[in-house]
Amino acid sequence: GQQLNQSPQSMFIQEGEDVSMNCTSSSIFNTWLWYKQDPGEGPVLLIALYKAGELTSNGRLTAQFGITRKDSFLNISASIPSDVGIYFCAGSNYGGSQGNLIFGKGTKLSVKP
Amino acid sequence: NAGVTQTPKFQVLKTGQSMTLQCAQDMNHNSMYWYRQDPGMGLRLIYYSASEGTTDKGEVPNGYNVSRLNKREFSLRLESAAPSQTSVYFCASSERTDPLRGYTFGSGTRLTVV
Repeated sequence: GQQLNQSPQSMFIQEGEDVSMNCTSSSIFNTWLWYKQDPGEGPVLLIALYKAGELTSNGRLTAQFGITRKDSFLNISASIPSDVGIYFCAGSNYGGSQGNLIFGKGTKLSVKP
Repeated sequence: NAGVTQTPKFQVLKTGQSMTLQCAQDMNHNSMYWYRQDPGMGLRLIYYSASEGTTDKGEVPNGYNVSRLNKREFSLRLESAAPSQTSVYFCASSERTDPLRGYTFGSGTRLTVV
């Protein structure tokens, strides 16, 4: 089945640093989404992308839908402590026969000790 | 707005016991899902219901059953719990005609099987 490779698996951030993570797939998706999961909570949608090449921002977050439709990246600028958590990418082909989201395994952001 | 509500939040079971995880959404979504989350494994789909009256297997359905009771409610049942089913379970819902809204998740049920 379809799989998403999300990297890095984990990273440490220092307040003020910029953070980048990405997601790649062997299959094409029509939609890419990025979620954040705070400890003890369910994932919450951050950004949704629907067009190849699309660049979308949500505050300090910027995400891009790769032109090949097989990848996406998420940048966080000027990180703050509340950015810690697990970030998931997800791809979907809504309108297709199934329309389910396929999730990456997550990137865990922690604060540098 | 409650969104997606899961009960219970925590549960400890003995091996072989059964239980049902409850999920309800108040967003009038057609589709509902059950995922499990294990460290390093991300979110794995157990079962989903594309619309009321239908259910389908996901990636890891073995050991589970589901019931789409009505449009609002989608329950997950463990008939004979095993330690391998220790996990955090998330229910989610979505509207297929509104892809940019993605899924709305509940806050999870943390299940330990001893």
